[in-house]
Order: sequence, then C-alpha cells, then structure tokens
Amino acid sequence: KQEVTQIPAALSVPEGENLVLNCSFTDSAIYNLQWFRQDPGKGLTSLLLIQSSQREQTSGRLNASLDKSSGRSTLYIAASQPGDSATYLCAVDNYGQNFVFGPGTRLSVLP
Amino acid sequence: NAGVTQTPKFRVLKTGQSMTLLCAQDMNHEYMYWYRQDPGMGLRLIHYSVGEGTTAKGEVPDGYNVSRLKKQNFLLGLESAAPSQTSVYFCASSWGTFAEAFFGQGTRLTVV
Repeated sequence: KQEVTQIPAALSVPEGENLVLNCSFTDSAIYNLQWFRQDPGKGLTSLLLIQSSQREQTSGRLNASLDKSSGRSTLYIAASQPGDSATYLCAVDNYGQNFVFGPGTRLSVLP
Repeated sequence: NAGVTQTPKFRVLKTGQSMTLLCAQDMNHEYMYWYRQDPGMGLRLIHYSVGEGTTAKGEVPDGYNVSRLKKQNFLLGLESAAPSQTSVYFCASSWGTFAEAFFGQGTRLTVV
C-alpha cells in the first residue's frame, strides 16, 4: 500500500528566505507526482506536476524535483513571500488510477 | 471556465438523514474522484471513476455510494448519515494517467 509522508509538518520562515519542503513515498512504481497548495477553508490548487520520467519541473519561484528510485520529492520555494503562506500537499499517482496524498506541510512566511 | 464545481458548499444533516453531493466538471475529463479531508488524517479517497458508467472503491468507501451516469457529473451519496461522516469533501477530475488533477472548492458537511 502506497504511503506518503511530508516533512516538516509545519515551517515558519522570515520573508525572503529560500526553503525546501520534503515528500517521501514508499512505492516507487508511480506514474507522476503532483504538488498542491491549499489555503485555509479552500480547495486545492495544483502547483506542479512531475511525470515519472522527469527529474524536475519549474514554475516561477517554484521548483519541484523527483527521485523515483529513492521515493523522494522536494519543493523548493525561492525568495518566499507572505502570500506563500498555506499548506502544501504532495500526492502520488497510484498506478494510474487515483492519487495518494501526504499529510501536508503548513508554511508561514512572516513579513 | 468553471473547472470543477461542487454543490452544496455547506450542509448540516441529522444522523440518519440522506443526501447527495454533486460534482460537475466542464473539462471533458475521464477520471473523477471523491476525497474526504479530516484533521490529522489528510485527504483520503472514497470512490473514483475512470469513465462514464464506471465506479470503483477507494480507501474509505463504507457508508457512501456513487454514480457516474454522465461523463461530466459524479455524485456522492450518503444513505444514512453518521457523525463520523462529518468532514470536508472534495471532488477532483483529471484526464487520467500522467495528467494533472483539478479540485473543487469543497463541501463542508456536519452530521449532528
């Protein structure tokens, strides 16, 4: 059974800092991995999708990497801003049928 | 472009009552999913569908039923609501394997 963990559970940083969020999964037979952002009381917004054949994806200040063999992904946020404060979730595509989610990392960027 | 729309956004039910949550997507996606999100438990898959007329059980299917009579709609039913079903329910859709998933804004359900 696929299990996804995220470290740290919560993170607080001053504005302008670069930061890394970590995601680990137990079964490397995935089709893709997706990073989401969730604001309090809101739905999930897709940030980046990495296919299993890819090593990384970039969008603006965000860079996500994938090491399938070791079961790890990282989300790098450059020059963090208060507007980046949210919960970040990673999810792995489970044999092409559905997504298994991690518990999330709650990020606070302090002005 | 509406994306994924969930109806209703909020609902309070009494124990034993029934209700149906509606999910509609306008992206012609094949795959649709229902998740529930609980504090400390993360998002867990209830049921999913890989195409019109098909459904499959996810991780926590007990107490729920689903139907996918039309490609654009995925209905989640609670036949006899229980307090343990108090949660935030999210619907999502995607093209399928290798594809990005899009989520609705959620339905906050309270069973008293």
